[in-house]
Amino acid sequence: NAGVTQTPKFRILKIGQSMTLQCAQDMNHNYMYWYRQDPGMGLKLIYYSVGAGITDKGEVPNGYNVSRSTTEDFPLRLELAAPSQTSVYFCATDEGLGSYNSPLHFGNGTRLTVT
Amino acid sequence: KNEVEQSPQNLTAQEGEFITINCSYSVGISALHWLQQHPGGGIVSLFMLSSGKKKHGRLIATINIQEKHSSLHITASHPRDSAVYICAVRNNNNDMRFGAGTRLTVKP
Repeated sequence: NAGVTQTPKFRILKIGQSMTLQCAQDMNHNYMYWYRQDPGMGLKLIYYSVGAGITDKGEVPNGYNVSRSTTEDFPLRLELAAPSQTSVYFCATDEGLGSYNSPLHFGNGTRLTVT
Repeated sequence: KNEVEQSPQNLTAQEGEFITINCSYSVGISALHWLQQHPGGGIVSLFMLSSGKKKHGRLIATINIQEKHSSLHITASHPRDSAVYICAVRNNNNDMRFGAGTRLTVKP
């Protein structure tokens, strides 16, 4: 099992360009998350999904969009890239039990630079 | 104020030393997680606990619910333990909140 797969690993964008960060999981988890990690800060939740067809905003959703057409895939879309979106992005999943028995599984991250 | 505070921010140790990383939180939680992030960037889950103590190899995690505090200990530290250790809590709204991480460097 691959677990959680993120692509690409690195990307440089110009201001105003758009891109999609891909996330795929093969664990049949219902819950999927997108986080961003900035230097000196804890991970911040951008969007999450509790199942196919259902998405919701996290703490820092502005400038991003998501979709969840299948259980396996949860792409994150940046429409008009801005320097403030320079960050490392992590996709994560869990079983969504919402309690003690549900560890997070992370992808390897996507390092995005917007110049 | 962050809901999850870790200390120290940075820690340098000599190989073989006993290491303690602390985590304090200010909200009600259903579980606390310790995560490890290696220089390559990937994040892995080390522990998930809601009470008491857990041990895995040279790593020990403890939590005191009354004091809202957790510690991660590493015994007989080794250079391969060098990483960023992240404390995270799942609050009673089922949201995860993350500390900023502790960067550990173990020198041979």
